Amino acid sequence: QKEVEQNSGPLSVPEGAIASLNCTYSDRGSQSFFWYRQYSGKSPELIMFIYSNGDKEDGRFTAQLNKASQYVSLLIRDSQPSDSATYLCGSSGGGADGLTFGKGTHLIIQP
Amino acid sequence: GAVVSQHPSWVICKSGTSVKIECRSLDFQATTMFWYRQFPKQSLMLMATSNEGSKATYEQGVEKDKFLINHASLTLSTLTVTSAHPEDSSFYICSARRDGGEMEFFGPGTRLTVL
Repeated sequence: QKEVEQNSGPLSVPEGAIASLNCTYSDRGSQSFFWYRQYSGKSPELIMFIYSNGDKEDGRFTAQLNKASQYVSLLIRDSQPSDSATYLCGSSGGGADGLTFGKGTHLIIQP
Repeated sequence: GAVVSQHPSWVICKSGTSVKIECRSLDFQATTMFWYRQFPKQSLMLMATSNEGSKATYEQGVEKDKFLINHASLTLSTLTVTSAHPEDSSFYICSARRDGGEMEFFGPGTRLTVL
């Protein structure tokens, strides 16, 4: 069974610091990985996706993938209070598969 | 852009009634759409994969006769919760994938409350 594990938190980070969110997955066949941000009562919004080993940067966000360790992370630089949300890690086996999500990490950025 | 809409955004119904939720991709065609359900403080759970022109594929434990899915066009999928009961109260979210793409774009969700 495909599983994605995340620490539910809450993870508290001071404003301006780097927030580090981690995720592990069980299915070695997973090919693509996604980070979504979800505010309370709202639908998830895509932040980044990654499918190659290494780092991928987009503005303040950096996604990291290590397929050997089955580990995905998201770094948020210069954290802002508006970054406070639940961050969902999702994996896809490619093709017509839907995403398998972790339970999400609740991030709190303290002003 | 990649905009996905859902209608209604919320619905309250009596136990035993059926509720239809629409999911539309507004500016792109989506051969594949997905239906998720999220209970409070839980993650999104994939319910089914909706394929245009063919039968939906349901995840283990999801009753296909209770959650009817119709993907009649490349921009519209509907989920009908038949004979809804209070335990079906949840946040139902659809997503759509561009043809040939991997990213899923989520709709705003539909909050269903069954009394």
